[in-house]
Amino acid sequence: DSGVTQTPKHLITATGQRVTLRCSPRSGDLSVYWYQQSLDQGLQFLIQYYNGEERAKGNILERFSAQQFPDLHSELNLSSLELGDSALYFCASSGQNPEETQYFGPGTRLLVL
Amino acid sequence: AQKVTQAQTEISVVEKEDVTLDCVYETRDTTYYLFWYKQPPSGELVFLIRRNSFDEQNEISGRYSWNFQKSTSSFNFTITASQVVDSAVYFCALSGMDSNYQLIWGAGTKLIIKP
Repeated sequence: DSGVTQTPKHLITATGQRVTLRCSPRSGDLSVYWYQQSLDQGLQFLIQYYNGEERAKGNILERFSAQQFPDLHSELNLSSLELGDSALYFCASSGQNPEETQYFGPGTRLLVL
Repeated sequence: AQKVTQAQTEISVVEKEDVTLDCVYETRDTTYYLFWYKQPPSGELVFLIRRNSFDEQNEISGRYSWNFQKSTSSFNFTITASQVVDSAVYFCALSGMDSNYQLIWGAGTKLIIKP
């Protein structure tokens, strides 16, 4: 158990819908990262937050947004969902320094029908 | 630019055999970090090891060992006396200032251990 929690574990929805994925980092970690893992694209970094502020952006679509709240939990919002958004979405957390290890949550498996 | 190459897409061995997973990296950084993660069939990503570029000592943890060689830019992972539970996809990753400390991932090696 990495100490990072993600909910829900599974999500099935329809095209055009909007969903919210939630992540709670390990105790004491200030950084939260979101990743998408699909069969054809591998692991793609989406976005990073540090202590409530956006720190880095990767290959995140405009239909996707995220935020980190004062209690350090984070949410990833996916809207206008398309079939191609079906993937495993991971959250990871790490400590204060950028080179620290990222510990991953169990992931949310999203299926868009 | 930074890059991680895991040339072995899939490896299949019989239980109790030793197996080595290769990882070759490219970076311009002098200080960088290398990682291995395991993704079992259940899907989660499990951290295995982190190495910084100044520490070339090999690491052993039970049946797992890692060989870091700066001269060949490689960070290989060996499982001794493999077990069925070792079946998973293994990812090698790199981070450094050049990538703003974002993880640069290899494509992963799928390891199948047959009973």
